[in-house]
Amino acid sequence: KNEVEQSPQNLTAQEGEFITINCSYSVGISALHWLQQHPGGGIVSLFMLSSGKKKHGRLIATINIQEKHSSLHITASHPRDSAVYICAVSFNNDMRFGAGTRLTVKP
Amino acid sequence: EPEVTQTPSHQVTQMGQEVILRCVPISNHLYFYWYRQILGQKVEFLVSFYNNEISEKSEIFDDQFSVERPDGSNFTLKIRSTKLEDSAMYFCASSEQAGGRSEQYFGPGTRLTVT
Repeated sequence: KNEVEQSPQNLTAQEGEFITINCSYSVGISALHWLQQHPGGGIVSLFMLSSGKKKHGRLIATINIQEKHSSLHITASHPRDSAVYICAVSFNNDMRFGAGTRLTVKP
Repeated sequence: EPEVTQTPSHQVTQMGQEVILRCVPISNHLYFYWYRQILGQKVEFLVSFYNNEISEKSEIFDDQFSVERPDGSNFTLKIRSTKLEDSAMYFCASSEQAGGRSEQYFGPGTRLTVT
């Protein structure tokens, strides 16, 4: 049973477009994380949230605890945003990961 | 900015051999984690470690795996008698607090190839 579902699996956008990536989870969690995985494999934490909304620059993450759903938005997308975006949820001291969304932003 | 480091970046080993993957977490962090990612698949949790003992482990983390904090800075993952299916990228991470109370910082990963 996959506890974390992401959509879409793949996303291609033109530079400047508004991007939305969705994540649904099936169980109660401590927090939800959005991670970015670069082509070289490195993983960077973008957001950790347990309620509401957070914003860093052009990135916005929201979570609806009642609906067990989160979204990651990228405004004014740029080719350097091309990466795999991973949703992950924390329970106590472990973390469960979604399969990731591969984003390609074309100039 | 402090970062998690991992060595080696790439390890090639023969099936049946033991390997030790090394990590240096961020110095004031108290919680440590190992994850793995088989090529083309999602990241999977292996184990979390706090106060010199395992706090959570997944079903993947069987008797062939062990973790240790041998000194004040290193955190190691040992795989005894490696199998072909252990080939993966292994990520170490650390955090100030447990679970969902603080962000985890990931190392660059060690690519393990078992031949």
